[in-house]
Amino acid sequence: AQTVTQSQPEMSVQEAETVTLSCTYDTSESDYYLFWYKQPPSRQMILVIRQEAYKQQNATENRFSVNFQKAAKSFSLKISDSQLGDAAMYFCAYRTPTGANSKLTFGKGITLSVRP
Amino acid sequence: EAQVTQNPRYLITVTGKKLTVTCSQNMNHEYMSWYRQDPGLGLRQIYYSMNVEVTDKGDVPEGYKVSRKEKRNFPLILESPSPNQTSLYFCASRRRGASEQYFGPGTRLTVT
Repeated sequence: AQTVTQSQPEMSVQEAETVTLSCTYDTSESDYYLFWYKQPPSRQMILVIRQEAYKQQNATENRFSVNFQKAAKSFSLKISDSQLGDAAMYFCAYRTPTGANSKLTFGKGITLSVRP
Repeated sequence: EAQVTQNPRYLITVTGKKLTVTCSQNMNHEYMSWYRQDPGLGLRQIYYSMNVEVTDKGDVPEGYKVSRKEKRNFPLILESPSPNQTSLYFCASRRRGASEQYFGPGTRLTVT
């Protein structure tokens, strides 16, 4: 079974600084998707960034980028120029693209606080 | 606007009183699913549906039922709620073959 591990329950960053959130996963599949979701106090699940496993290039969305290491099964999220609005819980998630139930498997999440 | 809606957003109920949480999507998505979120556990899948009249269990289905009579709706039914079902519930939908899953706003359920 696929598992997603976020070992840091909490992190803190100074406004305008850079922070990296860690995620590792375990799978025997070769093709899959990886995601980072943001959950602000409103509780809405917001997709931050996605990575297809077959793509070697790391995904980037404005201030958000990932470091995808397929062999190491590592998928970290880097937030540059941190802003107060980045404070939220962040979930790493995995999904296979095919299969009867290609469900999202989530990590336990990490709470990010941003210091002004 | 493309969206997934859930109702109610907040619900406090008592043990054993049947309840239904509705979920509706306006994107004609084939795939829909329910997750529950608990502190320290992340989100876990309860049930999913690949299409109308096609449903199956996820990782934590005990105490829940679902139905998919229409493509747009996927209600979650708790026949006899218990306090351990106090949680935050999310409905999600996705087009077959697409990578992105769309989430509803969440339903905070408290069972006393």
